[in-house]
Amino acid sequence: DAGVIQSPRHEVTEMGQEVTLRCKPISGHDYLFWYRQTMMRGLELLIYFNNNVPIDDSGMPEDRFSAKMPNASFSTLKIQPSEPRDSAVYFCASSRGLADTQYFGPGTRLTVL
Amino acid sequence: KQEVTQIPAALSVPEGENLVLNCSFTDSAIYNLQWFRQDPGKGLTSLLLIQSSQREQTSGRLNASLDKSSGRSTLYIAASQPGDSATYLCAVRPDGQNFVFGPGTRLSVLP
Repeated sequence: DAGVIQSPRHEVTEMGQEVTLRCKPISGHDYLFWYRQTMMRGLELLIYFNNNVPIDDSGMPEDRFSAKMPNASFSTLKIQPSEPRDSAVYFCASSRGLADTQYFGPGTRLTVL
Repeated sequence: KQEVTQIPAALSVPEGENLVLNCSFTDSAIYNLQWFRQDPGKGLTSLLLIQSSQREQTSGRLNASLDKSSGRSTLYIAASQPGDSATYLCAVRPDGQNFVFGPGTRLSVLP
């Protein structure tokens, strides 16, 4: 398996623009997680899905953030409108079960100017 | 609320040394604990997963221990190599919740 795939790897945008991050989990994994990593706050869970259904979105910072998982092999994290404080590395991870090892993608480095 | 701390924040050692990284958590009611490695500009790689009923896990030169009652875990790296240089993160999964990550320990192994 190719592992968790994320795109784009880097994104630079201007404040106010819409940003869409994409993730393909490992085939057969029922759980998908979106994380954000910054120097100040470390690694934070934003939302996770089980069998394509959002289970816990309490980490989503505000209404500007939304996530979808239309099928078992694809998920998106959208920020609209983006702000400079959204600049971070966004990771997607997947696992077979909630208690199992999580496998992380390479991340998307987002810079909002 | 579960909080995870890691000491030291950074560590530099000569090649060949054995070393210990520490992780502390405030709530002992955890489901499991996982150690990750993160290389610069890369994602996280899982190293060891310890279930709450276990005391330790071993993989090659790595050994992780868990003491739930004291809220501590250690990652022991034997015979360190320059390739071990990375940031090591500890993540705790409280019962019924998702992982809470520590800030990490940045390790440099000097040749």
